[in-house]
Amino acid sequence: DIQMTQSPSTLAASVGDRVIITCRASQSISSWLAWYQQKPGKAPKVLIYSASTLQSGVPSRFSASGSGTEFTLTISSLEPDDFATYYCHHYNTGSDTFGQGTKLEIK
Amino acid sequence: EVQLVESGGGLVQPGGSLRLSCVASGFTVSNNYMTWVRQAPGKGLEWVSLIYSGGNTKYAGSVRGRFSISRDSSQNTLYLQMNSLRAEDTAVYYCAGSPSTGYWGQGTLVTVSS
Repeated sequence: DIQMTQSPSTLAASVGDRVIITCRASQSISSWLAWYQQKPGKAPKVLIYSASTLQSGVPSRFSASGSGTEFTLTISSLEPDDFATYYCHHYNTGSDTFGQGTKLEIK
Repeated sequence: EVQLVESGGGLVQPGGSLRLSCVASGFTVSNNYMTWVRQAPGKGLEWVSLIYSGGNTKYAGSVRGRFSISRDSSQNTLYLQMNSLRAEDTAVYYCAGSPSTGYWGQGTLVTVSS
């Protein structure tokens, strides 16, 4: 099975900061990658699919790139609502895998 | 407005069974790739199963042979039949469409305990 490794596991940042979260696949997954934001007690929210396509309604400060094995999620200027846990997700394979998550905390 | 609403969770003893339902509105289950994802208390997301629009099904190794995904077009509902439940199956279970749809339910809690 393909493994998805996210880094960092925890990230402390301030409002206005630019942050980057990385997801690495153990083998090439083309562009079958999504990014989610999850807040405590809530369902995950899709931010990005197909590695770089912004889901409708998601603010443009979120962007993502990558293909093959290396992927990044960038938040250009953190807002208070962005402090949450973020997951990458390799999908559409019948052996889907999530990254372990990145908790974005207020510094 | 699209809604996915899960139900059927609850407390069950080890070895028992439950059937989860996910009723869709504003969205046709049978025309879409649908998945079940779970999240154990305090843990990350874990993919459980999927069903393609054509009907093919896939399962995570941890549930293969015990869980079964299905759908009912007339009810526009997705199901997850869970048998031989174990303590490690305790989690919130979410149904979701493909990431391109962005649709997720609110989740239903399954607790496996004696």
